[in-house]
Amino acid sequence: ETGVTQSPTHLIKTRGQQVTLRCSSQSGHNTVSWYQQALGQGPQFIFQYYREEENGRGNFPPRFSGLQFPNYSSELNVNALELDDSALYLCASSLGQGSEEQYFGPGTRLTVT
Amino acid sequence: GESVGLHLPTLSVQEGDNSIINCAYSNSASDYFIWYKQESGKGPQFIIDIRSNMDKRQGQRVTVLLNKTVKHLSLQIAATQPGDSAVYFCAENISASGGSYIPTFGRGTSLIVHP
Repeated sequence: ETGVTQSPTHLIKTRGQQVTLRCSSQSGHNTVSWYQQALGQGPQFIFQYYREEENGRGNFPPRFSGLQFPNYSSELNVNALELDDSALYLCASSLGQGSEEQYFGPGTRLTVT
Repeated sequence: GESVGLHLPTLSVQEGDNSIINCAYSNSASDYFIWYKQESGKGPQFIIDIRSNMDKRQGQRVTVLLNKTVKHLSLQIAATQPGDSAVYFCAENISASGGSYIPTFGRGTSLIVHP
């Protein structure tokens, strides 16, 4: 196990609703990255937070937003949910923004109906 | 390598055989590459990495080969075991501002090891 935890494990939402997913990083890690993994696909980079600041963003619309807290835990917020947002959402923590080795959590499975 | 359609490319091997998983990457500016293993119900797990100034790197039972000329990456697993059954992803990384890396994952290859 990596020490990265995510909650909830599974979630079902309705189109148009908002969702907040949570991630606790591995002890000592100050960088958190979020990914979306659709069924049968590789993870797609959403954004990264380093010391509470966004530090890189992938090709996702502004309704995907995030926060990182002083203890380096993080939230991913998605507004106005769409059916295509159904996916596994992964967070990964690492030590330092230039650190390449990321430790992934088990993910949150989001289903939008 | 990358596939089209809905299904992951699949590699089936017998226990004890050597496995080779291939990956084609797209961006010639990518300077750092990682192979991940993802088991069912888990997040990806780091296996081995390689920088663009190298063409080969070895770990425990795994070897990564990088051919920058044709933008191709391969993962070799020696003496494959049933516990190696998983989906394997390659990720290319481009250095971004602030010292971070922006990773791009391939679709993945499903490795099935038969006892």
